[in-house]
Amino acid sequence: AQSVSQHNHHVILSEAASLELGCNYSYGGTVNLFWYVQYPGQHLQLLLKYFSGDPLVKGIKGFEAEFIKSKFSFNLRKPSVQWSDTAEYFCAVIPGTGGFKTIFGAGTRLFVKA
Amino acid sequence: GAGVSQSPSNKVTEKGKDVELRCDPISGHTALYWYRQRLGQGLEFLIYFQGNSAPDKSGLPSDRFSAERTGESVSTLTIQRTQQEDSAVYLCASAPPLRDIINPNYGYTFGSGTRLTVV
Repeated sequence: AQSVSQHNHHVILSEAASLELGCNYSYGGTVNLFWYVQYPGQHLQLLLKYFSGDPLVKGIKGFEAEFIKSKFSFNLRKPSVQWSDTAEYFCAVIPGTGGFKTIFGAGTRLFVKA
Repeated sequence: GAGVSQSPSNKVTEKGKDVELRCDPISGHTALYWYRQRLGQGLEFLIYFQGNSAPDKSGLPSDRFSAERTGESVSTLTIQRTQQEDSAVYLCASAPPLRDIINPNYGYTFGSGTRLTVV
């Protein structure tokens, strides 16, 4: 079955530390990849997406993600986190077939210490 | 409105009662999803509507759960004979037509959810 794996369920960092959240998916065909973020008490919102082209995607608030097809990965990165980045981050995949159903990972809770 | 609207925002119900949750998607969004998020857990897919195609019900956990959507408008998720394990936040999301997926801003817009507590 198609699935999305997020390796870290909880991450704690100090401000200014670098961030990398892992995401791997299990689908061999064309994929559309997303990262969503849910700040405390707020809706889920789109952080960035990959559809085609440059595998390095830049999103809002200094986040970026790199699509590595050979590794079936779409890791999220930020060079220097801020306290306001405390949130839950979800990786999501829309496989190119199968009705375009979005498959979400279990989420990673990030806590940034001030 | 500008966003996805869900109602009620909170619902407390007694075990065994039926509940109905409502989702108003963004106008023009052909895709609509229902997800469940239990405390401390990730998003659990429930059901997916895409335009006039048959819905993907593969995520519904039991026959107590059902959902309807008329065309590309409002959707309702019904849980019959609620159980305590149904307690969760039920999220609805909608998205534009698939042809817009190449748009850099394409993505799902989520509602604020309905927090269901079964006592």
